[in-house]
Amino acid sequence: QVQLQESGPGLVKPSETLSLTCAVSGYSISSGYYWGWIRQPPGKGLEWIGSIYHSGSTSYNPSLKSRVTISVDTSKNQLSLKLSSVTAADTAVYYCAREGRLTLVRGVLNWFDPWGQGTLVTVSS
Amino acid sequence: QSVLTQPPSVSAAPGQKVTISCSGSSSNIGNNYVSWYQQLPGTAPKLLIYENDKRPSGIPDRFSGSKSGTSATLGITGLQTGDEADYYCGTWDSSLSAGRVFGGGTKLTVL
Repeated sequence: QVQLQESGPGLVKPSETLSLTCAVSGYSISSGYYWGWIRQPPGKGLEWIGSIYHSGSTSYNPSLKSRVTISVDTSKNQLSLKLSSVTAADTAVYYCAREGRLTLVRGVLNWFDPWGQGTLVTVSS
Repeated sequence: QSVLTQPPSVSAAPGQKVTISCSGSSSNIGNNYVSWYQQLPGTAPKLLIYENDKRPSGIPDRFSGSKSGTSATLGITGLQTGDEADYYCGTWDSSLSAGRVFGGGTKLTVL
């Protein structure tokens, strides 16, 4: 059974860098799939942040691209998220998830499953 | 503002049926597959439907998905109080450089 667990500081000061780690168990990251980060501001909807392929290639939400870095450490079977120059607007629950993606004749099929339990990050001085 | 449009809320009585819509465009729903997620209060989202209408193992057949043109619909029959949750649609948007998009979410209240 694949399980994901986010960890990192729950409080980050404005203008600093948010750093989170997602530990994966039950599946080797290097075996395949994409691995993504999604966030949810309090009381709001889901926002995709970015994803990394098991080979290391990344794709980011254009609205966050200039501030985001996602990486994988296959030796530890974990992925990481760094978001720089944070503001109060970056306060959210941050989730990591395994992402499946297939390009089929009738279009792109993608889904996120499973998800980690999420970790709340508050940006405040 | 989400690329995909969902009603903010829907409600129905226990035992009844409810549908939740997800409206998009030709660059997303119209030419790609849709997935649906259930987020129970205080928990992480869970995959409910993928590839428009397929259910992962363990998801009861009370949940169904469909797609027509640039819209998708999640259906839930035999409503239970435990179905009270937020529901999100998701898909790929071919007009965006990175593609993954979600709807704004719909809160289901079981009266």
